Amino acid sequence: DVKVTQSSRYLVKRTGEKVFLECVQDMDHENMFWYRQDPGLGLRLIYFSYDVKMKEKGDIPEGYSVSREKKERFSLILESASTNQTSMYLCASSGSGQETQYFGPGTRLLVL
Amino acid sequence: GEDVEQSLFLSVREGDSSVINCTYTDSSSTYLYWYKQEPGAGLQLLTYIFSNMDMKQDQRLTVLLNKKDKHLSLRIADTQTGDSAIYFCAESIKSTDKLIFGTGTRLQVFP
Repeated sequence: DVKVTQSSRYLVKRTGEKVFLECVQDMDHENMFWYRQDPGLGLRLIYFSYDVKMKEKGDIPEGYSVSREKKERFSLILESASTNQTSMYLCASSGSGQETQYFGPGTRLLVL
Repeated sequence: GEDVEQSLFLSVREGDSSVINCTYTDSSSTYLYWYKQEPGAGLQLLTYIFSNMDMKQDQRLTVLLNKKDKHLSLRIADTQTGDSAIYFCAESIKSTDKLIFGTGTRLQVFP
């Protein structure tokens, strides 16, 4: 079975803090994705990566950056957290040329 | 651009059938998906349908695809309280590995 894990289930941070969200997958997938989920808005793509050290902006990249130094790990970085970044963050992975995405359990982030 | 729409809520009685509807815009989508999200959890792949099919059945789940109207539905037979969750419809974007997700439909099953 595909396993996607995220470093934290819940996080509480203060405005202005730098926040790291980590995601690891064990299926040797080339593609990895970061989404945020907000009520009534569904899932919105923040960034994705097709390969190590590659990254592409999704629909809402402002205020975020990412890092993919190893194939299995994709990190989402909030350089200076703001209250409007309070949300559920979901990581997913898929194989190259495969559209089916497999999701981690999510990280619920609260920025005070 | 691509857009996927769903109604936000559906409430059904235990034992009845549930039908969750979705409309999408990209006629070149290769696959269309249904994901399930239980409270506090990530998304779990429920089922998917290839775009050249019009129906797929998997135990209690039936997926219907009307490509002409760009309409997808998920029917859950004999709905149980364990089916209470948010259901997301998603379409693939041709020549990319990206998916576009709908807003999700919250299904509530009451006794």
